[in-house]
Amino acid sequence: GENVEQHPSTLSVQEGDSAVIKCTYSDSASNYFPWYKQELGKRPQLIIDIRSNVGEKKDQRIAVTLNKTAKHFSLHITETQPEDSAVYFCAAGGYQKVTFGTGTKLQVIP
Amino acid sequence: DGGITQSPKYLFRKEGQNVTLSCEQNLNHDAMYWYRQDPGQGLRLIYYSQIVNDFQKGDIAEGYSVSREKKESFPLTVTSAQKNPTAFYLCASSIGSLAGANTDTQYFGPGTRLTVL
Repeated sequence: GENVEQHPSTLSVQEGDSAVIKCTYSDSASNYFPWYKQELGKRPQLIIDIRSNVGEKKDQRIAVTLNKTAKHFSLHITETQPEDSAVYFCAAGGYQKVTFGTGTKLQVIP
Repeated sequence: DGGITQSPKYLFRKEGQNVTLSCEQNLNHDAMYWYRQDPGQGLRLIYYSQIVNDFQKGDIAEGYSVSREKKESFPLTVTSAQKNPTAFYLCASSIGSLAGANTDTQYFGPGTRLTVL
């Protein structure tokens, strides 16, 4: 089955700096790569996703890049703000299901 | 998000008892999922269902059971065979694999925190 590794497990940045979270996956058949944000005590919410026919996708301050050859994908958050503080999960998979990474706790220091 | 609900929010169980967690959605989604979340371990898939009256085991199905008698409902039973059931349980739904593009986005419920006493 699919195996997703996510790094780092914790990340602290100063407000206004950029944050990068990296994930690797094992199954070359995976074609869908979503990223979820989970605030303390709340449900995970999709923030951005990318499919295997696209190398990069941006949405305002958030971008995701995908390297299918190397089987890794990354989340980039620019101009971080305190409200970006949360746990972020990557996932990889296809139509039936996805496998999640273990999460990155991001702290943005004002 | 408001279209998928879970109840109860908190649940306490004595060892040896079965307990059923509710998950309901009014999004007309075909696919539904159950995850378990433990600190530092991300979300692990317990069971999933792509269509009514059909479901498949996920990565950690032992000690759990599900049913999918209605499109809107996907209850999870935590049985006494589950050795360490204390965790946060999340239900999710998605449009389903037969609907074409963007079928994989999963929408999560608010979760149920189960504690075994």
